[in-house]
Amino acid sequence: RKEVEQDPGPFNVPEGATVAFNCTYSNSASQSFFWYRQDCRKEPKLLMSVYSSGNEDGRFTAQLNRASQYISLLIRDSKLSDSATYLCVVVRGATNKLIFGTGTLLAVQP
Amino acid sequence: EAGVAQSPRYKIIEKRQSVAFWCNPISGHATLYWYQQILGQGPKLLIQFQNNGVVDDSQLPKDRFSAERLKGVDSTLKIQPAKLEDSAVYLCASSPIRRSRGLAGGHTYEQYFGPGTRLTVT
Repeated sequence: RKEVEQDPGPFNVPEGATVAFNCTYSNSASQSFFWYRQDCRKEPKLLMSVYSSGNEDGRFTAQLNRASQYISLLIRDSKLSDSATYLCVVVRGATNKLIFGTGTLLAVQP
Repeated sequence: EAGVAQSPRYKIIEKRQSVAFWCNPISGHATLYWYQQILGQGPKLLIQFQNNGVVDDSQLPKDRFSAERLKGVDSTLKIQPAKLEDSAVYLCASSPIRRSRGLAGGHTYEQYFGPGTRLTVT
């Protein structure tokens, strides 16, 4: 079983739609979680951190369910510019080792 | 501030040849990482340096891969000899010694990625 699992998609949604991605992790000792965004043929960039209380940044909401060991990302009012791969990231250990999921591909259609 | 620089951006070699990649992290960042990203997968950590010391190289194929970070700044990653399965994007990232908000109040540092080197082994 992979340490971080995501549905690779693709998720094809129309502009203005709401879309949600889930990610599960296997190491219950994991303490920190992130969503990174990766555009086609570009490097990953931090989108947002995931806090136990949930956090919101504009149209983006991230939530953590520690009991079920999953992380979610909700995107409201999708824009064409949201088209990208969304990588779920779990931090392992004291050395800040990032464990990436395979990513979920989002394609927002006009 | 300037980002993480990498070169070359693209490289095509034949199997059994050697190749080297170079990374210059963001100024002042003590920690440097090399990742391998195979098409359709997320990045996988190969090696992590803290200044010029190795913190984690558990997933580095040491029979063919080597990396160094002399003087705790720039770093090079070498593959010798290359195999077909080494075709991937090699990403360098760096992070500062700075505390950011983590869930348990521990130290979690944002990593900044360079543009990567796309390697094709034929």
